[in-house]
This record gives sequence, structure tokens and C-alpha cells, in this order.
Amino acid sequence: DQQVKQNSPSLSVQEGRISILNCDYTNSMFDYFLWYKKYPAEGPTFLISISSIKDKNEDGRFTVFLNKSAKHLSLHIVPSQPGDSAVYFCAASANGGGSNYKLTFGKGTLLTVNP
Amino acid sequence: EPEVTQTPSHQVTQMGQEVILRCVPISNHLYFYWYRQILGQKVEFLVSFYNNEISEKSEIFDDQFSVERPDGSNFTLKIRSTKLEDSAMYFCASRRGSNQPQHFGDGTRLSIL
Repeated sequence: DQQVKQNSPSLSVQEGRISILNCDYTNSMFDYFLWYKKYPAEGPTFLISISSIKDKNEDGRFTVFLNKSAKHLSLHIVPSQPGDSAVYFCAASANGGGSNYKLTFGKGTLLTVNP
Repeated sequence: EPEVTQTPSHQVTQMGQEVILRCVPISNHLYFYWYRQILGQKVEFLVSFYNNEISEKSEIFDDQFSVERPDGSNFTLKIRSTKLEDSAMYFCASRRGSNQPQHFGDGTRLSIL
């Protein structure tokens, strides 16, 4: 099942710089997208989401961009901090028609922010 | 901040035994989910639950699996006769309403021997 793809298994950036995590999807029915952060031995923690009616959503240092024509979304973290080091999951759901909002996840990208 | 809690954090069980994984969703949430992550693989959907019934289940969720909300707070996943391939992290999640994100617990690591 490759409906949500995160093609970079890892990313390393310097503290203070921008981190850009990418995600592609193939299912055109997806209309709600989320990013989760996961530390070892913890569950996924919700970061930010975007509905398909928008192309950008911002929350503090985190911004998600959605390009529906390319079926691509990205998460920007500015400025990156060492505490941001974690695995980041992209997830999507198809919410139209009374769907129950089940999430389809990507494999995750391990972000390392170096001091 | 309210959170989803799961118990136990680690469960070791002999193959063929029954296991019950427990979750306490966030109190004002209405939609409940179980997911699992086999080591090295993606987080995958198992089942969703709303208004005291299953609303959707994946092909993984066969007759060996069941879910229950026995009271106003707990949400349980039962595996009737465990198999080696059931070894995974099991995550519970809950959501308040439409276009609201799911919030996850820290998971139960299930090890089948």
C-alpha cells in the first residue's frame, strides 16, 4: 500500500536552519492531511493539519503546504531546534461522503537537528 | 492537556492465548480507533468505532479481533487467539469531531512468544 509516500527516510539539518519534509500521495480522494511527530517509545503526536480547500496552514514554527495538482505536501520547520529531532509521519484521510476519517500513513522521515 | 492513555505499555503472551489491550480516550471525543505498527513497517489502520459500533475495519481485523467500549471511558481491543504475526505496537486514537485530528496514545507493545 503506497498511497502515502515519504521518499526520504532521513534528513539532517543545522539548528536555526529550515527543515523541509516532503510527502506525496496517490489517492485523489484524500482531502485532509496531517503531520505527526514521534519520539521513541511514544505515540504519534499531532503537529499540524490542512484541509484540501487550503494550500497553506501555519502554526508557529510549523507550516504545511499542499499542492493538490501535484499530490504533494510539505512541512516546513523554521527555525529548526534540536528538540525537533524525531520521526515525522505524513498521514491522509478521505473524509467526504461520511467516511470515518481513518488515517493512511507514510513510512516516516527521521529528522535530526544538529546543534 | 488531556491525552489518550493505554495500558499495559508492554504485554508478553504465549501464542494462542487471548489478550486485551486497554485504552482510555480523551473524555469528550466521540470517534475511536486502533492502529498497529509492525517493526519496520508503516502505521496501519485496524478499526474505527463510533456510537457504540464498528464503523469501518481493515482486512487485518478478522474474526480473531474485537473491540468494545464497556463503559463511558474505556475502549478495548481483544485478540482471541494470538499468532506470532500479531507482534506489533498497537496504538489507540480518538477524535472529537469532523475535520479534527486524531490524538494517539503511547501504544502497547505486544510480543507473542
